[in-house]
Amino acid sequence: NAGVTQTPKFQVLKTGQSMTLQCAQDMNHNSMYWYRQDPGMGLRLIYYSASEGTTDKGEVPNGYNVSRLNKREFSLRLESAAPSQTSVYFCASSGEGWMTEAFFGQGTRLTVV
Amino acid sequence: RKEVEQDPGPFNVPEGATVAFNCTYSNSASQSFFWYRQDCRKEPKLLMSVYSSGNEDGRFTAQLNRASQYISLLIRDSKLSDSATYLCVVINAGNMLTFGGGTRLMVKP
Repeated sequence: NAGVTQTPKFQVLKTGQSMTLQCAQDMNHNSMYWYRQDPGMGLRLIYYSASEGTTDKGEVPNGYNVSRLNKREFSLRLESAAPSQTSVYFCASSGEGWMTEAFFGQGTRLTVV
Repeated sequence: RKEVEQDPGPFNVPEGATVAFNCTYSNSASQSFFWYRQDCRKEPKLLMSVYSSGNEDGRFTAQLNRASQYISLLIRDSKLSDSATYLCVVINAGNMLTFGGGTRLMVKP
């Protein structure tokens, strides 16, 4: 059972380049999330999707766009990467109910130079 | 004020010690609470859910105090393998997960 799969695991971008981080889950979860984690810091929510076709901004959405085209996949796009976006990005998903566990992908380590 | 706050630590304790962390949350309508564990450069993983009546899982005990809006995690008989960052997670209406900044625990021999 794969759970939550993120690609790529590592990426180096030059300032101004664009890229899309992919995330897919096979647990039939409605909710999916994108977080970023800077060194020594907690996770900050970038965007959230409660169901297919819906997305909401989180705490730090500027500079990012997301797409939830189907129930399985939730992608995060950086249109013009900046050094401030150097971080570890985690995708997560969770099911229904108040006590549902969230599962995380292994993370994408992004460096913008 | 952040929605979920934790003391970042680090908490440095000897093996066998008992250690406790608190986490405060600002939204009184918060419904669900969890403790996650995160090892260095890894993804967070669920440690335990926090129920209104409190719950215990081996050496770990979680408590919820709704009146004062905090949750706690108690670790008894600390092991070297308990060294990690412990993240408090709160779920509000809309099923959105909000994380605290994490508390780092270092258990020394």
